[in-house]
Amino acid sequence: NAGVTQTPKFRILKIGQSMTLQCTQDMNHNYMYWYRQDPGMGLKLIYYSVGAGITDKGEVPNGYNVSRSTTEDFPLRLELAAPSQTSVYFCAVTGQVYQPQHFGDGTRLSIL
Amino acid sequence: AQTVTQSQPEMSVQEAETVTLSCTYDTSESDYYLFWYKQPPSRQMILVIRQEAYKQQNATENRFSVNFQKAAKSFSLKISDSQLGDAAMYFCAYSTQGGSEKLVFGKGMKLTVNP
Repeated sequence: NAGVTQTPKFRILKIGQSMTLQCTQDMNHNYMYWYRQDPGMGLKLIYYSVGAGITDKGEVPNGYNVSRSTTEDFPLRLELAAPSQTSVYFCAVTGQVYQPQHFGDGTRLSIL
Repeated sequence: AQTVTQSQPEMSVQEAETVTLSCTYDTSESDYYLFWYKQPPSRQMILVIRQEAYKQQNATENRFSVNFQKAAKSFSLKISDSQLGDAAMYFCAYSTQGGSEKLVFGKGMKLTVNP
């Protein structure tokens, strides 16, 4: 049982490139989230989804896009990478209302 | 908007001693959840403990306990009998109600455990 799987674990991008961060869960949970963690800071919510076909913006959505076509997958897309998007990205899931979130191991993204 | 404040960026404790990490939050809601997450150098986010705002009893999980003061909007974490493995970043977080279960995090606090 893998739980929440994020790929890749580490990536270096050039300014202007695009990429997709993958998040897959095998917990059959409805709620999925993308957070970013800048150095020395807490996590900030980028986007979230309460179920397949439903997504909504979080606190820092600019420069990102998401989709949720299945319960299992919640990819995060960066279209035009900028240095300000250098961060560690975490995907999280939760099932029952008010239950704690389970986090993936994170993706460290550097944009040069 | 809800905010979570951790005013102490770093703390240290001797092994086997007790340490308390502080957290305050701001919200106009009456029902919500509060969490403490631990992030070791491996950068995993590990749930330590959680507290339901409607419960007056403070949550405990083995060596970890909280002091929840709803009126003061304070949510501190006490670690008893500190162990070397407790060294990590600790984040306080607030969860909204209403179906989205979003988390709002504090900036975190680095705990060092000295042998």
